[in-house]
Amino acid sequence: KNEVEQSPQNLTAQEGEFITINCSYSVGISALHWLQQHPGGGIVSLFMLSSGKKKHGRLIATINIQEKHSSLHITASHPRDSAVYICAVGGYETSGSRLTFGEGTQLTVNP
Amino acid sequence: NAGVTQTPKFQVLKTGQSMTLQCAQDMNHNSMYWYRQDPGMGLRLIYYSASEGTTDKGEVPNGYNVSRLNKREFSLRLESAAPSQTSVYFCASSELRGAVGEQYFGPGTRLTVT
Repeated sequence: KNEVEQSPQNLTAQEGEFITINCSYSVGISALHWLQQHPGGGIVSLFMLSSGKKKHGRLIATINIQEKHSSLHITASHPRDSAVYICAVGGYETSGSRLTFGEGTQLTVNP
Repeated sequence: NAGVTQTPKFQVLKTGQSMTLQCAQDMNHNSMYWYRQDPGMGLRLIYYSASEGTTDKGEVPNGYNVSRLNKREFSLRLESAAPSQTSVYFCASSELRGAVGEQYFGPGTRLTVT
């Protein structure tokens, strides 16, 4: 079993829909990251969080440390949100400076 | 600021050839990382450097060497390329020393070994 599991693997939505991507992990962590990989391949950090909730524009990330679970929500989705979303965890039981990555969720938003 | 830069963007090697992938960051970050990304798999850590002068193996270090030349630069060397090293390679950096901070990624190098 992978240390970081994401669901779903693939997600297709219509423009304007509310989207949720889930991430579950099996080890103790100091931080969880959400990353976005554009169709061209570039990777950008969206959020780093260790508790509660963070919001940036239409994106919201939440984490429940007790349940070892995080969600990434996109409100009012748009075709430009089409990308791969990657969850990663780091710290404590993941060997110090390292991040352990999920396989990613491919999101396609149709107009 | 350029952020994290990588060269080259694309490379084709023959089996047995060697090459060095270059990475530089201009954000004065302490930690730098090399990852590989293969289809159907998550990013996997090859080597990392938590601070200038130190390097450590990651999950998949075999067949690679690294050099933390100074605080800005972290290079990845393939001494004798193999087809299994065909992949997309990403360099990343973060501010925090010895802990995981927000990571900034380079644009990637697409390497094909024939």
